[in-house]
Amino acid sequence: RKEVEQDPGPFNVPEGATVAFNCTYSNSASQSFFWYRQDCRKEPKLLMSVYSSGNEDGRFTAQLNRASQYISLLIRDSKLSDSATYLCVVNPPAGNKLTFGGGTRVLVKP
Amino acid sequence: GAVVSQHPSRVICKSGTSVKIECRSLDFQATTMFWYRQFPKQSLMLMATSNEGSKATYEQGVEKDKFLINHASLTLSTLTVTSAHPEDSSFYICSARGTTLNTEAFFGQGTRLTVV
Repeated sequence: RKEVEQDPGPFNVPEGATVAFNCTYSNSASQSFFWYRQDCRKEPKLLMSVYSSGNEDGRFTAQLNRASQYISLLIRDSKLSDSATYLCVVNPPAGNKLTFGGGTRVLVKP
Repeated sequence: GAVVSQHPSRVICKSGTSVKIECRSLDFQATTMFWYRQFPKQSLMLMATSNEGSKATYEQGVEKDKFLINHASLTLSTLTVTSAHPEDSSFYICSARGTTLNTEAFFGQGTRLTVV
């Protein structure tokens, strides 16, 4: 089993719709979690950190489910500019390295 | 947020030559930096962890003699691809984290290396 797994997609989303996707992680002792956004041929950029209580930033909502070992990202009122690959990133308990999921590709269409 | 600067953004080199990529943390000190490689339509793969003042830690399958890493100061790490071959063509990205536990990583802009 991979340490961090994501549905690669693509998720084809009509503009204005809501899309949600999950990321599962294998190490139950993982410390911290992040969602990054990566545009084609660009570096990943932090979208949001994921806190145990869940957090929201505008149209984006992230949640952590420790019991089932997954984090989720929900995008409301999708914009064309939301088209990107969303990377789930997990900080395992030992060391300073981050583990990346394979990414979920989202395509928002008019 | 913190800024990590990577240079060059794009390089084309001939087979057999070496290429150096620099990664700088501009407004914070990074005792640890990370080097990733990303092939088209794939996720980032960690190549090595660069430790200031000591040897880098390489991931399994990454040749340390081919990918030379130097972390001479708290703000600069370099990756040198030696004797480059066409199969080394890829997108190389560095990242750095601050010293506080569980903080996010900041990424350089990436270097697209093409070996011809």
